[in-house]
Amino acid sequence: AQSVTQLGSHVSVSEGALVLLRCNYSSSVPPYLFWYVQYPNQGLQLLLKYTSAATLVKGINGFEAEFKKSETSFHLTKPSAHMSDAAEYFCAVSGFGNEKLTFGTGTRLTIIP
Amino acid sequence: NAGVTQTPKFQVLKTGQSMTLQCAQDMNHNSMYWYRQDPGMGLRLIYYSASEGTTDKGEVPNGYNVSRLNKREFSLRLESAAPSQTSVYFCASSEVLSGINQPQHFGDGTRLSIL
Repeated sequence: AQSVTQLGSHVSVSEGALVLLRCNYSSSVPPYLFWYVQYPNQGLQLLLKYTSAATLVKGINGFEAEFKKSETSFHLTKPSAHMSDAAEYFCAVSGFGNEKLTFGTGTRLTIIP
Repeated sequence: NAGVTQTPKFQVLKTGQSMTLQCAQDMNHNSMYWYRQDPGMGLRLIYYSASEGTTDKGEVPNGYNVSRLNKREFSLRLESAAPSQTSVYFCASSEVLSGINQPQHFGDGTRLSIL
């Protein structure tokens, strides 16, 4: 069984400030972890993925995430927020030998000018 | 460069009507999925297909049926639509390479309203 918890359904940050979106997972097998972004009225786009290689994963648009097994976390960060980062972000987990994804409930990011 | 294509993009139905949502992918992926997205609930898996000719229930399969017509196409059918099925529906596809789960690729969604 696997699950994902995203803390904070809404996060607001000022333009230029640090973005931190939290994701904690549980998985009975080694996990694969993903962050997706959804812009209004669009589908989901992959930001980055963890597949058991490096624990610090760099993605598109300046985002990165660090896999911390001891904390069962995979938080998403960006050093400096841009107005174009306003969107909804989803963390998702799948397990070794099982392609099915389990999604978190999402975090809506608002950027304050 | 199409990826995953869903049709239609929007649809309004009356309670009790039936309809089929279409999905096609051109990436030669083995696995395909149908999700529904509702506010505050993330994406929930309705059905998935690990390969042509096989389908399995996901988290919320009641009221839906699916068909994996061939490797490219995976359709979702609502036999008797209910207002609770008002949602945004996403199709996705993926593959496993060298034993590693690759990211799922998503279509742009079908926005379905049931009156």
